[in-house]
Amino acid sequence: QVRLQESGPGLVKPSDTLSLTCTVSGGSINSYYWSWIRQPPGKGLEWIGYIYYSGSTDYNPSLKSRVTMSVDKSKNQFSLKLNSATAADTAVYYCARYPPLGSRFDFWGQGIQVTVSA
Amino acid sequence: DIVMTQSPDSLAVSLGERATFNCKSSQSVLYDSNNKNYLAWYQQKPRQPPRLLIYWASTRESGVPDRFSGSGSGTDFTLTISSLQPEDVAVYYCQQYYTTPWTFGQGTRVEIK
Repeated sequence: QVRLQESGPGLVKPSDTLSLTCTVSGGSINSYYWSWIRQPPGKGLEWIGYIYYSGSTDYNPSLKSRVTMSVDKSKNQFSLKLNSATAADTAVYYCARYPPLGSRFDFWGQGIQVTVSA
Repeated sequence: DIVMTQSPDSLAVSLGERATFNCKSSQSVLYDSNNKNYLAWYQQKPRQPPRLLIYWASTRESGVPDRFSGSGSGTDFTLTISSLQPEDVAVYYCQQYYTTPWTFGQGTRVEIK
């Protein structure tokens, strides 16, 4: 069974860079798209972007100027960096898997709460 | 961006009764070349990640009870719970994967009447 686990700081200062890592276990990172999705407190879901195992990326235009994703196949991990963080970036951040032929986010991490505050 | 609009925002249904809620996309998510609707449904319980229920608008994910069913095509979709159970109390989201940015509806909250 594939498992995803987010890790990183739970508190980020305004204007700093929010950095998270997702570790994939029980399966290979190869041949899939890997996404980050966030959920502000009491609100709905926002897709941040994806990275393919080969390294190609697609980001939500609303965040594109501040987002960088990377993949480390040797560690079965992928990462998110969101720079110039503000209070509006406070959210639960999820990583999720998306199969190559499309159709759905089939496996999700448990999520990590990130608060942007001084 | 494709805007996904769900209705109602919340509904209360008696145990054992049918729950039906809707999702409308601002443009068609039906891909003509394969006749597939690029639409998924997720269930989210408090303090849990979303759980995939339905993809391709009507294909039930493995392990999902058969009381959950999805229907619709083009821009209008429906998720139906045929007989509401206590464990179905949750927020339900639709999501389009027809084109990026992939977008979600605002959610429908289901409660017990």
